[in-house]
Amino acid sequence: NAGVTQTPKFQVLKTGQSMTLQCAQDMNHNSMYWYRQDPGMGLRLIYYSASEGTTDKGEVPNGYNVSRLNKREFSLRLESAAPSQTSVYFCASSKTGGASHEQYFGPGTRLTVT
Amino acid sequence: AQSVTQLDSQVPVFEEAPVELRCNYSSSVSVYLFWYVQYPNQGLQLLLKYLSGSTLVKGINGFEAEFNKSQTSFHLRKPSVHISDTAEYFCAVRRGVETSGSRLTFGEGTQLTVNP
Repeated sequence: NAGVTQTPKFQVLKTGQSMTLQCAQDMNHNSMYWYRQDPGMGLRLIYYSASEGTTDKGEVPNGYNVSRLNKREFSLRLESAAPSQTSVYFCASSKTGGASHEQYFGPGTRLTVT
Repeated sequence: AQSVTQLDSQVPVFEEAPVELRCNYSSSVSVYLFWYVQYPNQGLQLLLKYLSGSTLVKGINGFEAEFNKSQTSFHLRKPSVHISDTAEYFCAVRRGVETSGSRLTFGEGTQLTVNP
């Protein structure tokens, strides 16, 4: 099992450009998440999807959109990138319900917006 | 809403010394608590979790944490650290009553640096 995979690993954008970050998991998890990590701020939730067909805003959704393409895939889109979106982006997945509650993380995408 | 505070942003220690990374949380409902570790240029890995039962939980790599409900704390400890423990550590909390997804709130992180 590959777990959670993310593409690309690195990306440099100019202000105003758009891009989509891809995430896929092979653990048959219902829930998927997008976080951004900035120095001294921990991880902040951008959007999450509790199950296929549903998405909800997290703590910092402005400037982002998401698509839960199917059970495996959850993409994050920046329509018009801004320097404030320079960050490391992590995708995660988890089961829904039950006692585990563990989230499994991908390796991250390091995005720089100039 | 719940929140998490990691009381130290950086903790330098010498190899084989004990270490404690402190985490306090606030929540009006029951919670589940987690510690994750992030090695340089990698994603996060679960170190240990408290769901219920014994307040002392053991995790991977010799780490353990104690849930203290009265002090709303979940401090992480290791009796003897190694160079390889150098990493960033994140405390996280999830509301126990939530059934839709497993939304976590993370602390700001503590950088543990183990020196020879």
